[in-house]
Amino acid sequence: AQTIHQWPVAEIKAVGSPLSLGCTIKGKSSPNLYWYWQATGGTLQQLFYSITVGQVESVVQLNLSASRPKDDQFILSTEKLLLSHSGFYLCAWSLEVNQDTQYFGPGTRLLVL
Amino acid sequence: QQQVRQSPQSLTVWEGETAILNCSYEDSTFNYFPWYQQFPGEGPALLISIRSVSDKKEDGRFTIFFNKREKKLSLHITDSQPGDSATYFCAASGGSFNKLTFGAGTRLAVCP
Repeated sequence: AQTIHQWPVAEIKAVGSPLSLGCTIKGKSSPNLYWYWQATGGTLQQLFYSITVGQVESVVQLNLSASRPKDDQFILSTEKLLLSHSGFYLCAWSLEVNQDTQYFGPGTRLLVL
Repeated sequence: QQQVRQSPQSLTVWEGETAILNCSYEDSTFNYFPWYQQFPGEGPALLISIRSVSDKKEDGRFTIFFNKREKKLSLHITDSQPGDSATYFCAASGGSFNKLTFGAGTRLAVCP
């Protein structure tokens, strides 16, 4: 069975500090991977997607970047955090063949002060 | 531009009643509509989904009714249980690569 793991579970960071969030998928080879952001009490907004190692497409610009260093790993990062980066970050995956259905990870809660 | 709209914003029903959550969309290229259930502090979980070639999808107590002509769909939760209390998101895709567009969500409370 496939499992999706996100780390860390939660972070409290200072404005201007760097950030790195991670996501790992186990049990599926060559999944499509996605990063979403959710404001507290808000909807989900897709940030990035990746269909293969080394390739990442940006959906919206939020002064964040993403990378896919391995088939099962997706990283979200920034060198300088803004207050507006606070929220819930979710990683999701879908099968390459049936691309529509996306499955979400447990999320990382980020508070920027 | 809000392409997927949900109503009501919040809904309270009694245990055993049927909860009806509404969703509408604007983009006629959308052809896949998943509903996600999210509990506080957790990631959304896929609940049920429908493709635009169907007008109804049933899974236990959860049913999606889809009206392609009016670009509307609804999620019916029959025999609602307190454990169904959560936020429900309607989403849509079919345009650019795997982009899921989410509605603002409906917060459902089921009172015992």
